[in-house]
Amino acid sequence: AQSVAQPEDQVNVAEGNPLTVKCTYSVSGNPYLFWYVQYPNRGLQFLLKYITGDNLVKGSYGFEAEFNKSQTSFHLKKPSALVSDSALYFCAYAGNNRKLIWGLGTSLAVNP
Amino acid sequence: EAGVVQSPRYKIIEKKQPVAFWCNPISGHNTLYWYLQNLGQGPELLIRYENEEAVDDSQLPKDRFSAERLKGVDSTLKIQPAELGDSAVYLCASSLGLGGLGTDTQYFGPGTRLTVL
Repeated sequence: AQSVAQPEDQVNVAEGNPLTVKCTYSVSGNPYLFWYVQYPNRGLQFLLKYITGDNLVKGSYGFEAEFNKSQTSFHLKKPSALVSDSALYFCAYAGNNRKLIWGLGTSLAVNP
Repeated sequence: EAGVVQSPRYKIIEKKQPVAFWCNPISGHNTLYWYLQNLGQGPELLIRYENEEAVDDSQLPKDRFSAERLKGVDSTLKIQPAELGDSAVYLCASSLGLGGLGTDTQYFGPGTRLTVL
């Protein structure tokens, strides 16, 4: 079955340190991968996506993600975390008929 | 550019009552989605419209849920009657393109938090 996995329920980092939120995928065909962020009591906000081309994708708010075909991963990264980055992060894969297949989410806590 | 607009933001009703949610997508977006999101989980697709046609409603509980997208713009999602288990956040999203591969970005509204007592 086609799926995305976020192996960590929660990630804790100190402010100013680099952060990584992990995502792996198991899909057939071309992997169209997305990252969204959800702040408390707010809708999902699009961060970035990989469709084709350069494996390093740059997105909003200083985030980037690296598509790694050999490791079937699409980890989200940021060089220097901010307290305001604390939120719930979702990885998703665009399946058939525009259906987004979502990971279970990773809660990021950035400590001051 | 205005984003996806949803109303109301919050709704509290008693079980067996009807409830309706409204969504106005980003101008020019042809595809509209309704999702249900439980606390701490990813969204679950309820229905997808391309213009005014519901092209995927396989996950919509049709015994109590209904939706419409008249004129291919605004959309309404209705629950009648509501049950306790319907308490969740209902998200609306829109994307520009039609059909084909899902490479278009879906843009989400703020959601409606429904509490059924």
